[in-house]
Amino acid sequence: NAGVTQTPKFRILKIGQSMTLQCTQDMNHNYMYWYRQDPGMGLKLIYYSVGAGITDKGEVPNGYNVSRSTTEDFPLRLELAAPSQTSVYFCASSYSQGDQPQHFGDGTRLSIL
Amino acid sequence: DAKTTQPPSMDCAEGRAANLPCNHSTISGNEYVYWYRQIHSQGPQYIIHGLKNNETNEMASLIITEDRKSSTLILPHATLRDTAVYYCIVRVVGGSEKLVFGKGTKLTVNP
Repeated sequence: NAGVTQTPKFRILKIGQSMTLQCTQDMNHNYMYWYRQDPGMGLKLIYYSVGAGITDKGEVPNGYNVSRSTTEDFPLRLELAAPSQTSVYFCASSYSQGDQPQHFGDGTRLSIL
Repeated sequence: DAKTTQPPSMDCAEGRAANLPCNHSTISGNEYVYWYRQIHSQGPQYIIHGLKNNETNEMASLIITEDRKSSTLILPHATLRDTAVYYCIVRVVGGSEKLVFGKGTKLTVNP
């Protein structure tokens, strides 16, 4: 019963490095999301996707890129990592129709030094 | 999406009911009320949602006022494991389905 799986769980990057945060779901959900959460704050939406090949910006997209080539996977790419991107990143998914809730992964804790 | 207002923190005794309020006075007719919680730094966990009627599931009950301007999440018999940050979110169904999180209410269940 995997649900939403995020890898890695922890990562430390140097300023200017790049990396990809992986997210996969096995519930055949059309909608997928990336959020970030800074200490003591609520989650903020970075990017979302309503289906394979379709992505759109959320509230805080600068410095990130996404792709959605399959229904299952929604990777988040950080180019030229900056200290301001130190955060906990959560991936979520949901069914595309109706009032269905979002299901979240356990997060990736990322530090940029 | 309409904004919500929640108290920053609340305490509850173990075994008692925890009643978490949420104000959403600008909610529109097609917006649902959702509740999630976040334990420690884990991913948010869905609890319950509703549109107009009161709802109950195995985790909690949701009471929505008749004018829909406020709601209350009720955990009937709080346990220590219910200590978490609880988020009340209003959401339009049929759009991007994205959630807008505020700071939530930190509920501490005391032994």
